[in-house]
Amino acid sequence: AQSVTQPDIHITVSEGASLELRCNYSYGATPYLFWYVQSPGQGLQLLLKYFSGDTLVQGIKGFEAEFKRSQSSFNLRKPSVHWSDAAEYFCAVGARSGGYQKVTFGTGTKLQVIP
Amino acid sequence: ETGVTQTPRHLVMGMTNKKSLKCEQHLGHNAMYWYKQSAKKPLELMFVYNFKEQTENNSVPSRFSPECPNSSHLFLHLHTLQPEDSALYLCASSQEPDRAGEQYFGPGTRLTVT
Repeated sequence: AQSVTQPDIHITVSEGASLELRCNYSYGATPYLFWYVQSPGQGLQLLLKYFSGDTLVQGIKGFEAEFKRSQSSFNLRKPSVHWSDAAEYFCAVGARSGGYQKVTFGTGTKLQVIP
Repeated sequence: ETGVTQTPRHLVMGMTNKKSLKCEQHLGHNAMYWYKQSAKKPLELMFVYNFKEQTENNSVPSRFSPECPNSSHLFLHLHTLQPEDSALYLCASSQEPDRAGEQYFGPGTRLTVT
């Protein structure tokens, strides 16, 4: 069974600073990896996904993530954070099981952006 | 309407009440999901529907009863809930069940059980 760990529960960054949110996964084969964002009062929105190929993937809102197999990591990055990025971020890992994809979400990292 | 909509957005109910949550997706997707989101806990998958057929029930108590009359609508019928059932209930959809990682979520229903 797959699992995902987000070691940081809460992170605070200054507006304009760079951001890196950590995600570690556990899965025996090549995983499907995802990052979602949840703004207050909203559902989750898919930021980006990795299936195969280039290990650096670009997503929406200026985010990117890098798959590192040797470290079992899929960290989310943004070069310059905006106040509107304040939200909770969820990493997820998917695994094929027959005709279905079983998805496991992390516990989330809450991002606070200060002026 | 676009995307995934959920009604009501907020619901307060007593332990003896019966209520229903509604979800509608306007994306032409074939798979739909119910999740429970509680504070400080991972997102919990409750039910999965594929082409209106329930394909997964993650040991959810029978006081939660899902219904999927067609691939665009999903309901969660609630009865005799417990205070610990208070949470944000999220509905989601994906093109196919083998693309479950690429889900579109509704805004959720904030449920409070008194």
